[in-house]
Amino acid sequence: DGGITQSPKYLFRKEGQNVTLSCEQNLNHDAMYWYRQDPGQGLRLIYYSQIVNDFQKGDIAEGYSVSREKKESFPLTVTSAQKNPTAFYLCASSEFRDQPQHFGDGTRLSIL
Amino acid sequence: GENVEQHPSTLSVQEGDSAVIKCTYSDSASNYFPWYKQELGKGPQLIIDIRSNVGEKKDQRIAVTLNKTAKHFSLHITETQPEDSAVYFCASISSGSARQLTFGSGTQLTVLP
Repeated sequence: DGGITQSPKYLFRKEGQNVTLSCEQNLNHDAMYWYRQDPGQGLRLIYYSQIVNDFQKGDIAEGYSVSREKKESFPLTVTSAQKNPTAFYLCASSEFRDQPQHFGDGTRLSIL
Repeated sequence: GENVEQHPSTLSVQEGDSAVIKCTYSDSASNYFPWYKQELGKGPQLIIDIRSNVGEKKDQRIAVTLNKTAKHFSLHITETQPEDSAVYFCASISSGSARQLTFGSGTQLTVLP
């Protein structure tokens, strides 16, 4: 079945650590996105990529970094510069920009 | 940038009744409006979407209406069932180079048996 796989489902970070969240899609979609979701709030865009080797900052990119070396993969690194990283992180993809976005089941990141 | 407001934040209905969730947007150039359903611990699932060249779209028990003049759109669920209980998000695509989705803050729908 085609879809978006995020791993791990739960992740814990110590103070000062960088952690990387995985996102893989087998839908052959060009565009991929990372969102952050806080309790009782909507989704906020962190980064997006329209094509391999290209990505753009979203509304809340500070403290995060991404790469897009392969079409099917769009990992997100939460750096130690992100002071409030505890959240639910969602990855999405779409065939190309402006097309419906499909989401993975998220990674919940917590601070130890 | 685009601003999307969603109401109500919580909604309880009896099984079999209808539920309506409303959203307003600020960017008159927005032209794509999806609705997502999110169950606990899961990612949002696209349930219906509408583009600005139509005023209404229906898919079985779910319908979406769009009023471009007033800049608002609504989700209608008829004959609600307990499995419809979830958080529902509206969103819109803003204009400009980013063309990013802006989400409403969500509505917790509870269908009471």
